[in-house]
Amino acid sequence: SYELTQPPSLSVSPGQAATITCSGDKLGDKYASWYQQKPGQSPVLVIYQNNKRPSGIPERFSGSNSGNTATLTISGTQAMDEADYYCQAWDTTTVVFGGGTKLTVL
Amino acid sequence: QVQLQESGPGLVKPSETLSLTCTVSGDSIRSYYWSWIRQPPGKGLEWIGYMYFRGSTNYSPSLKSRVTISIDTSKSQFSLTLSSVTAADTAVYYCARVNGYNLDYWGQGTLVTVSS
Repeated sequence: SYELTQPPSLSVSPGQAATITCSGDKLGDKYASWYQQKPGQSPVLVIYQNNKRPSGIPERFSGSNSGNTATLTISGTQAMDEADYYCQAWDTTTVVFGGGTKLTVL
Repeated sequence: QVQLQESGPGLVKPSETLSLTCTVSGDSIRSYYWSWIRQPPGKGLEWIGYMYFRGSTNYSPSLKSRVTISIDTSKSQFSLTLSSVTAADTAVYYCARVNGYNLDYWGQGTLVTVSS
């Protein structure tokens, strides 16, 4: 079965850029999406089709996808960005999630 | 604004069947695919399956033998049944709208605990 691998955790200082990676075989040939989940809340779509932002998502969120790695970048990270982030892609007709990355802003 | 709301029992006994319903408002249930996802306490997201109103479904290979997703267009609802549950099925269950290659609207989630 297809797998997406994310680092379990990442720490950044406020104002710095946070880069979260998601690795999978030939992931660059697929569309990657990213979700933000804060404690006790439902996931929120922050990036879709590799690099598109839904309405209402701040411009500091950006994405890319090439080769075997998709990347979510948060430029100028703020305290409110502290959350779990999940990547997601399709393996033919099934949905696959990465294991999630806990982003700490300190 | 699209809204999804999960409902169903919060407690299910081992070996019994878990049943949840998701009510969709603000959009036609005939226009998209609809999905269920779960999240065990303290763990990551696990996709369960999805369905289109015309009846096509697809399930996670790991759950396929126990899962059924159905839809009632007259009530703008879709449902999940998971049979022969164990403690490992304890999780927050989410319903979501499939829009292209992503899940763009999610319900608030409902915690289902499997315990005697």
